[in-house]
Amino acid sequence: KAGVTQTPRYLIKTRGQQVTLSCSPISGHRSVSWYQQTPGQGLQFLFEYFSETQRNKGNFPGRFSGRQFSNSRSEMNVSTLELGDSALYLCASSLGSGGIDTQYFGPGTRLTVL
Amino acid sequence: AQSVTQPDIHITVSEGASLELRCNYSYGATPYLFWYVQSPGQGLQLLLKYFSGDTLVQGIKGFEAEFKRSQSSFNLRKPSVHWSDAAEYFCAVPGNRDDKIIFGKGTRLHILP
Repeated sequence: KAGVTQTPRYLIKTRGQQVTLSCSPISGHRSVSWYQQTPGQGLQFLFEYFSETQRNKGNFPGRFSGRQFSNSRSEMNVSTLELGDSALYLCASSLGSGGIDTQYFGPGTRLTVL
Repeated sequence: AQSVTQPDIHITVSEGASLELRCNYSYGATPYLFWYVQSPGQGLQLLLKYFSGDTLVQGIKGFEAEFKRSQSSFNLRKPSVHWSDAAEYFCAVPGNRDDKIIFGKGTRLHILP
């Protein structure tokens, strides 16, 4: 079974731009979660989608949004980029939406905001 | 509120030596606990998880962890480390509605040849 894939792997943007990241979960997994990883804040939960519905959301501004398609693929969008948005964005998929479900992580998208 | 603390930011051990990475948790009920590993430039991989039952949990790559309720700890151990174990290790617990999962700050493991 193919693992979680994320595209692109690297992105460079400038302040004020917007960006869209993509995540394809493991086949059969209906839950996709997104995380931001920075040296200062560590790993922080952004949001989770399950069957095309946002199930929960972390403490991030509204500039961060996402969606999930009927094939469970997910995208996250960040509008009006700020320097502090530079981070590794990780996507994880799981069968269910509970916090106890094993999550399988993709390799991440490294976003640099200049 | 749930939380996880990893007291050691960096740990250095010699190849072949034993390893113990510390994790302390705060959780309202019977905890579910996870250990993940992140190799450089990679995503996270689940090493092991504890839900209930036997307090000594075996994971992949020769790792094990012991749940100790009295100490609120879930320390990760390996009897003999290999150079390929150099990575960052994260302890985690399920979160509430605002956090699907709460990660500790991580412990970076360095291996001396």
